[in-house]
Amino acid sequence: NAGVTQTPKFQVLKTGQSMTLQCAQDMNHNSMYWYRQDPGMGLRLIYYSASEGTTDKGEVPNGYNVSRLNKREFSLRLESAAPSQTSVYFCASSEEGGRAFNQPQHFGDGTRLSIL
Amino acid sequence: QKEVEQNSGPLSVPEGAIASLNCTYSDRGSQSFFWYRQYSGKSPELIMSIYSNGDKEDGRFTAQLNKASQYVSLLIRDSQPSDSATYLCAVTPYSGNTGKLIFGQGTTLQVKP
Repeated sequence: NAGVTQTPKFQVLKTGQSMTLQCAQDMNHNSMYWYRQDPGMGLRLIYYSASEGTTDKGEVPNGYNVSRLNKREFSLRLESAAPSQTSVYFCASSEEGGRAFNQPQHFGDGTRLSIL
Repeated sequence: QKEVEQNSGPLSVPEGAIASLNCTYSDRGSQSFFWYRQYSGKSPELIMSIYSNGDKEDGRFTAQLNKASQYVSLLIRDSQPSDSATYLCAVTPYSGNTGKLIFGQGTTLQVKP
């Protein structure tokens, strides 16, 4: 049972380069999320997708774009990487959709991204 | 005022003691509350979820929720060195059923043998 799978696990980029972080879940969850985690800042939501075909901005969306490719996959793209985007990125998913209370999110192992 | 506040710690307790981790939140409409554990260099792992006032127990862990005081806590009984980690409190804002979570900064727990 893989859960939430993120690729790559590590990446070093130069300023101005672009890249896409991949995320896939095999739990048939409706909702998916992208976070970044910086020392002293906790987990901050970048973008989320409440259901297939929808995406919405979170707390820190600037400099990022997302694509909900299908129910399983949710990618995060950095068009022109900046040193301020050096961080650990986590993808998560949850079983939402019409429930009275929110279900917990399940996290991938993270992508450690350094931008020089 | 931060939406979800935790004391960053570190909280240091001896092995076998009870560790008490606290979290306050600002959105009175919040309905769902979660505690995650995160080991250094690893991803957050769900420990407990709680939705109604009172206590919820799971093994050595007890979550306590008081919506009137906007306060949620996690008690860890018989603390072990393997419990040393950062504990994240997460709360759903009252913004529809999107599943969004607001995380606190986390409390670092150190259990000393």
